[in-house]
Amino acid sequence: EIVMTQSPATLSVSPGERATLSCRASQSVSSDLAWYQQKPGQAPRLLIYGASTRATGIPARFSGSGSGTEFTLTISSLQSEDFAVYYCQQYNNWPRTFGQGTKVEIK
Amino acid sequence: EVQLLDSGGGLVQPGGSLRLSCAASGFTFSSYAMSWVRQAPGKGLEWVSAIHGSGSSIYYADSVKGRFTLSRDNSKNTLYLQMNSLRAEDTAVYYCANVQLWPPGYFDYWGQGTTVTVSS
Repeated sequence: EIVMTQSPATLSVSPGERATLSCRASQSVSSDLAWYQQKPGQAPRLLIYGASTRATGIPARFSGSGSGTEFTLTISSLQSEDFAVYYCQQYNNWPRTFGQGTKVEIK
Repeated sequence: EVQLLDSGGGLVQPGGSLRLSCAASGFTFSSYAMSWVRQAPGKGLEWVSAIHGSGSSIYYADSVKGRFTLSRDNSKNTLYLQMNSLRAEDTAVYYCANVQLWPPGYFDYWGQGTTVTVSS
């Protein structure tokens, strides 16, 4: 099983600042990597797939990069609605696995 | 607009059974793979099972294999998860999700979730 490790566990950021979230795979997943956003009491929402392609309706301030084992989600200028938990997920190997999440909180 | 409505959760004793349903609308249901993903209280996300649009191919996580059965009725645009021999560790919010790619890739649209609690 591929283990997905996200860092940091919690990221404290001021509105308007840039946030950089990391996701590391225990072995290569090529570009088969997705990012999700989850707010309290809500279902996750797809942000990025294929490591760098934004899903439909996702603002341009969200961007993904990386391949192989190292991936990054960048939020260029945090808005109030962006404070949430973010998960990465690989879909290259079985079983499909998620990272443990990064909580982005208001500084 | 894509809508996924999860239902069927509840409180069940260890060893008991439950059937979850997911009613889909807003897209051609039979053309898409579907999946269940669960989230234990205060924890992260865990993929559970996925089924091809035709129903011809199904994958399960090892943690539920032999106990859970995934199925779909394309005439009713509904996904089902039959859960037997339930354990305390199956306690979670269960989300159905529309899957892109096959073998299953990423999860495009999600239901609101239905809560399963396994406890005596």
